[in-house]
Amino acid sequence: QITLKESGPTLVKPTETLTLTCTFSGFSLSTTGVGVGWIRQPPGKALEWLAVIYWDDDKRYRPSLKSRLTITKDTSKNQVVLTMTDMDPMDTATYYCAHKLTVSFDPWGQGTLVTVSS
Amino acid sequence: QSVLTQPPSVSAAPGQKVTISCSGSNSNIGKNYVSWYQQLPGTAPKLLIYENYKRPSGIPDRFSGSKSDTSATLGITGLQTGDEADYYCGTWDTSLSGGNYVFGTGTKVSVL
Repeated sequence: QITLKESGPTLVKPTETLTLTCTFSGFSLSTTGVGVGWIRQPPGKALEWLAVIYWDDDKRYRPSLKSRLTITKDTSKNQVVLTMTDMDPMDTATYYCAHKLTVSFDPWGQGTLVTVSS
Repeated sequence: QSVLTQPPSVSAAPGQKVTISCSGSNSNIGKNYVSWYQQLPGTAPKLLIYENYKRPSGIPDRFSGSKSDTSATLGITGLQTGDEADYYCGTWDTSLSGGNYVFGTGTKVSVL
């Protein structure tokens, strides 16, 4: 059974850097074809894909946020970390991580709400 | 803003059928597989359909998917109150170097 769980601060101040950790079980990020992605959802709005990292350390980022995002993995700890710099109130959202195999994200973590406010 | 367009809402009576469209372009739906995700109120999204029409284990055959050219459709038959949720299509877009994943604008399904 694959499970993922997001962790990190619930409140960050504008201009600060957000660091989120996705801790997973039931699969290995060293297995060919496997990836872990991050997706966010502002309150009442649609899903927005942010980034994905693959077993071979290949990384993809949302073009409009590429300069602010960094995704890394620690295979030994079964963790993926997403950092987002220069946080703004518009970045307030629930952040999800999800397992990726082939072309879909499945399953997803429960999500963590991050509020950006001074 | 999303590059995949969905109707904001659809509704029908219990037992009836609804369809949700997802309109894209040659750089996304036209070239890549489409997935559909269901998000029940207050919960994380769940994969409903992958590779255009395939259902993961445990997803009832009341849910179906199809794709034609640059559009995809999700169908729900035998509508139940438990189907009230937001539904999103998703696929890869290769218009930019490296590609990026895109979600639809989302559709709220209501059971009358």
